[in-house]
Amino acid sequence: GENVEQHPSTLSVQEGDSAVIKCTYSDSASNYFPWYKQELGKRPQLIIDIRSNVGEKKDQRIAVTLNKTAKHFSLHITETQPEDSAVYFCAASRVSTLTFGKGTMLLVSP
Amino acid sequence: EPEVTQTPSHQVTQMGQEVILRCVPISNHLYFYWYRQILGQKVEFLVSFYNNEISEKSEIFDDQFSVERPDGSNFTLKIRSTKLEDSAMYFCASRAQRTSGANVLTFGAGSRLTVL
Repeated sequence: GENVEQHPSTLSVQEGDSAVIKCTYSDSASNYFPWYKQELGKRPQLIIDIRSNVGEKKDQRIAVTLNKTAKHFSLHITETQPEDSAVYFCAASRVSTLTFGKGTMLLVSP
Repeated sequence: EPEVTQTPSHQVTQMGQEVILRCVPISNHLYFYWYRQILGQKVEFLVSFYNNEISEKSEIFDDQFSVERPDGSNFTLKIRSTKLEDSAMYFCASRAQRTSGANVLTFGAGSRLTVL
């Protein structure tokens, strides 16, 4: 089955800096890659996603890139703010079931 | 905005007891899922359900687990004889269509299960 590796496990940045979280996947047939943000004690919330026919997608301060050949995808957050502090999960899916990475705890210090 | 609703928000039970977690998916959604998240760990897939039957399940979803949609609205997860390691947050999720690329998977707020 699919295996998703996510790095780093924790990431501390200063407000205004950029943050990058990287994931790799194992199943070359996976074609959908969402990113979820989970605040403490709350549900995962989709923040951005990318499909395998697209190399990059951007939504304001958030962007995701996908390299199908290398089977990795990354989340980029620019101009980080304290409210960006949360755990971020990447996931990969071939048809229906999402396989999640282990998560990255992002801490943005004012 | 439509939501996936889960009850209870928190349940404490004794080891060996049966537990039923309930979910009301978004009304026009057809595909339903249960995921779990042990404290501090990643979200793990348990089972998917469509057309009143299980379509996929993980290794975690053993004989102690079952799902059903008894009345066309509620989607339940039953754990027959709870173990300490079943303590986790259980998330219900639903999707309008089967393929991930077609529709967003929407999660409920979760049910925290604590087994003593």
